[in-house]
Amino acid sequence: GAVVSQHPSRVICKSGTSVKIECRSLDFQATTMFWYRQFPKKSLMLMATSNEGSKATYEQGVEKDKFLINHASLTLSTLTVTSAHPEDSSFYICSASGGRAGTDTQYFGPGTRLTVL
Amino acid sequence: AQSVTQLDSQVPVFEEAPVELRCNYSSSVSVYLFWYVQYPNQGLQLLLKYLSGSTLVKGINGFEAEFNKSQTSFHLRKPSVHISDTAEYFCAVTQGGGTYKYIFGTGTRLKVLA
Repeated sequence: GAVVSQHPSRVICKSGTSVKIECRSLDFQATTMFWYRQFPKKSLMLMATSNEGSKATYEQGVEKDKFLINHASLTLSTLTVTSAHPEDSSFYICSASGGRAGTDTQYFGPGTRLTVL
Repeated sequence: AQSVTQLDSQVPVFEEAPVELRCNYSSSVSVYLFWYVQYPNQGLQLLLKYLSGSTLVKGINGFEAEFNKSQTSFHLRKPSVHISDTAEYFCAVTQGGGTYKYIFGTGTRLKVLA
């Protein structure tokens, strides 16, 4: 199958600091990666779509200066939460598609639990 | 615009009983349909998908779903559930032909009772 990893799985940080989350496709080249946010007992909210080598496309209402997304290679995308605040605490999940995994299906990472104190 | 409706937020069912989780969608164009399962504090795992062809799709863990274009539905079924099937199930739709963004339903919590 197509495997996607995320690192770290959990992170706790102080308010005002920045946090970087990595998303990697382990066995395929991901031309497109997606970042989602999930609130407790809620569905997934798409934050942005990134294509390798291009700027990310953010969904309406998502602050691009706060949630910096980089997709510098076909196997790695990063989400940086800048100047994090308690309201940014959430479960962040990435997904990837492309290459041998196909472009019609997204494969999801295990998620990152961010807690901002 | 596309949308996905999962009418049942929670479905309790006894072990070894059959279950159906409902998913309806709206779209003016052809779609691809997916079911994912999410266990607590984990990402989403693909159960099955419909892209084209046979309307009855079989997936992992004994699940299957049937695409019904006239009723715009893609209900998920399993003939006999196990305790380990307790999880959150999400239906998703994406427009075919290269538009890759998913629209997710709100999820259905399947709780299997002993």
